[in-house]
Amino acid sequence: GQNIDQPTEMTATEGAIVQINCTYQTSGFNGLFWYQQHAGEAPTFLSYNVLDGLEEKGRFSSFLSRSKGYSYLLLKELQMKDSASYLCAGRMDSNYQLIWGAGTKLIIKP
Amino acid sequence: DGGITQSPKYLFRKEGQNVTLSCEQNLNHDAMYWYRQDPGQGLRLIYYSQIVNDFQKGDIAEGYSVSREKKESFPLTVTSAQKNPTAFYLCASSREGANEKLFFGSGTQLSVL
Repeated sequence: GQNIDQPTEMTATEGAIVQINCTYQTSGFNGLFWYQQHAGEAPTFLSYNVLDGLEEKGRFSSFLSRSKGYSYLLLKELQMKDSASYLCAGRMDSNYQLIWGAGTKLIIKP
Repeated sequence: DGGITQSPKYLFRKEGQNVTLSCEQNLNHDAMYWYRQDPGQGLRLIYYSQIVNDFQKGDIAEGYSVSREKKESFPLTVTSAQKNPTAFYLCASSREGANEKLFFGSGTQLSVL
C-alpha cells in the first residue's frame, strides 16, 4: 500500500527555523497537503502543493519534488504557538482519498 | 460564521451500546468525511459522502454506519460491532473532492467504559 513517512517528533527554539520532512512513494500521488493540529483540536489547512517547487505563505513555506517523493514544510521565526503536530497527506490520483502521515509533533522551547 | 460543528466533545460508550456522533456544517459543502485518529497513526478514513443520499466506505468502515439525508449533516454511528472504538473522531467537509482543502470539526473523543 501507499505510505507516507514523517518524523515523529522534533524540537526547535523560539525564533529559529525548522524543516519538517515528508516522504512518500512516487507512484499514484497527485499533490500533497500540510495541516497543523494543536493537541485535542481540529487540523487546519496550511498548504497544498501540486507542482514542484517552493510555495511561500508568510512564515510558512512548503516544497514538493514529485520525482523524489519528497516534501517539506519550513517554518521561520518560530513562535511558541507553533507548538503543534504537523500532518502531511498525499492525494491519490484514483479516488477521493487522502493518505495521511502519522504527524510530526513540533516542540518549541524558549 | 461558517464552520463545521461536532458534538459531543467527549463520549463514553458502554459495552454492547451503539453511539452516534453528530457532524453539522453550514459551509454549503458537497463532500463530507469521517476520520479516526489514533495515537502514532495517520488519520484513517471511515466513510465519506460526495452528495446527499450517497456515501462510500473508507478504509475502516467495519463497525460503523453513516447517513446523509441532508447536505448539512453527516452523523456517524459507532456500533457494538466495533470492538476497539476508543479514538478521536474527526469530521471534515470540502467543496468537492480530495483536491479541495478539508475543513475539520473540533473532534469527538470516544472512550469505552
